[in-house]
Amino acid sequence: QKEVEQDPGPLSVPEGAIVSLNCTYSNSAFQYFMWYRQYSRKGPELLMYTYSSGNKEDGRFTAQVDKSSKYISLFIRDSQPSDSATYLCAMRSSNTGKLIFGQGTTLQVKP
Amino acid sequence: GAVVSQHPSRVICKSGTSVKIECRSLDFQATTMFWYRQFPKQSLMLMATSNEGSKATYEQGVEKDKFLINHASLTLSTLTVTSAHPEDSSFYICSVHRQDLEKLFFGSGTQLSVL
Repeated sequence: QKEVEQDPGPLSVPEGAIVSLNCTYSNSAFQYFMWYRQYSRKGPELLMYTYSSGNKEDGRFTAQVDKSSKYISLFIRDSQPSDSATYLCAMRSSNTGKLIFGQGTTLQVKP
Repeated sequence: GAVVSQHPSRVICKSGTSVKIECRSLDFQATTMFWYRQFPKQSLMLMATSNEGSKATYEQGVEKDKFLINHASLTLSTLTVTSAHPEDSSFYICSVHRQDLEKLFFGSGTQLSVL
């Protein structure tokens, strides 16, 4: 079993839809949770960062962490074609750089 | 935040040659940098942790003699793929960890194609 599970998709939605992306994990020691966006053949860009459980909102993006269920989510409201990319969840157990990544979900937002 | 510069962005080389990839932290002195590898439609896999002034720490299954890492200064880490083979073709990405920001920043990546 992988430490972090993420459905690779692809996920295709119409412009303006609400997108829900999810990851599950098995290591209860994870405390830092991140979502990265990666365009094709580019380095990942940090979108959201959450410590421990709870919600965090930034513009059209909302990140949720449920440590009791070992489940994290990223919601994108009013999705745009420019949101089309691969979204990677990542997590770590301490404030070190050693991240464990999910496989990434490919999202396509159609105009 | 930290700005990470990675060079080159793309390399095509013949089998058996060595390739060097540079990773620079432009606005932060990084004692630690990380090297990841990403195969098509796969996630990022940590290869090694680059430590300034000391030996790199390699993840299980990563050949340290094949993937040479040098972290000679607080702003530069290099990854050399020695005697590259077609199976080494991949997307290599470096990153810098800002402990004060508790965030990891990535370079733009290097696409290596070995013919």
